[in-house]
This record gives sequence, C-alpha cells and structure tokens, in this order.
Amino acid sequence: NAGVMQNPRHLVRRRGQEARLRCSPMKGHSHVYWYRQLPEEGLKFMVYLQKENIIDESGMPKERFSAEFPKEGPSILRIQQVVRGDSAAYFCASSPGANVLTFGAGSRLTVL
Amino acid sequence: GIQVEQSPPDLILQEGANSTLRCNFSDSVNNLQWFHQNPWGQLINLFYIPSGTKQNGRLSATTVATERYSLLYISSSQTTDSGVYFCAVNSGNTPLVFGKGTRLSVIA
Repeated sequence: NAGVMQNPRHLVRRRGQEARLRCSPMKGHSHVYWYRQLPEEGLKFMVYLQKENIIDESGMPKERFSAEFPKEGPSILRIQQVVRGDSAAYFCASSPGANVLTFGAGSRLTVL
Repeated sequence: GIQVEQSPPDLILQEGANSTLRCNFSDSVNNLQWFHQNPWGQLINLFYIPSGTKQNGRLSATTVATERYSLLYISSSQTTDSGVYFCAVNSGNTPLVFGKGTRLSVIA
C-alpha cells in the first residue's frame, strides 16, 4: 500500500501562472481532503471531496481555486493566476470514511 | 467552529528527557489525532485517540473527552523526535481542525 501520493513535491510558478497539484489517495479510500499550511502555521482545511462530488468547500478561497476528484484518476487542486500569497505547502489526506485521515508528503508551491 | 489550543508553543529538551504536550478543545469530538511534522515537512500520523489511552513505543497519548483535553507523552526523547506536534479534532462530519502545534527541539 503506497500511501497517499502527492505530486509534484515542489512546484515553482511565476505570478499569473497556473498551478496544478495532484493527489492519489490510499487504495480503498474514497474520501479526499486538501489542507494548506502557510509558513510557521498549522494546517487549514480547504476542501473535502468524494468521487465526483465536492462535499465541503467552506475553506476554499472564492476565486482562483478549484478542486476535483474524478471517477478515474487523482484528485486535482488547481490554482489559477497564482499570487505570492499562494506560496505554501498543500497537503492532501484520504480516509476510508469520515474519520482517521492519512496525509501525503505535501506539495510545496513557491510563487516568484 | 471548534477551537483547538496546544501548549506549550515551543519546547526545548535535552536528549533523554521526558515531556508532556497538551491539547485543549472547545467542544465534544468524535475524532482526535496527533501528528508529528518532521523537519522535512512530512506529517506522520501518531495516534487516533478520541478517548482513552494508547501507547506506541516511547510515545503515549491520553484523551479525556469529558474534560476536552488530550495529552501526548514523549519519554526518553531523541533528536529524531524534533519537529512540530499537531493535535487535530473534528465532530460529526465537520473537517478536521488543527491546533497551531508545539515545536519541539531535542538537543544532544
């Protein structure tokens, strides 16, 4: 069992570009969560998805951010027209149900 | 929403010392997890402990749900224990809410 796989591990973008972060949940897990960690801070919830459905997006910024978890393939967190304030570590977690979460290693986005 | 407070915010230990980290939460929970974020940024799941006591090697955790707190004990600390320890909770179907963490530095 390979665990929660995130890629890329590191991503550098210039202001105005798009960033796409991918997350493959653990085998058998149908629940995916995205969290953002700013430097020296804790993790903040962004969005909770199940296959083809967004369950809770209360933590997602209203503009430029979107997430999907298609029937086939990984979950994608997409950030359009990135700004310097988007620089952070983005963590994905998965679970078989609503409780115990297992986190991936994170994707670190740097916006120049 | 539910609030999570962790203490102390920072802790420096000599190798071999013991420590207790605390997590207070503002409402009843049905999930509580402790995580260790190592210096490389990886989040390691330590315990799923909504109530009771668990032990794993030099680490143990106790959650007293009725009094809304959890404790993480680290015994005979090692330099590899350094990093940030997070407590995270949720209730019902709400998202897992993280505390701000305790930053632990173990020095040789």
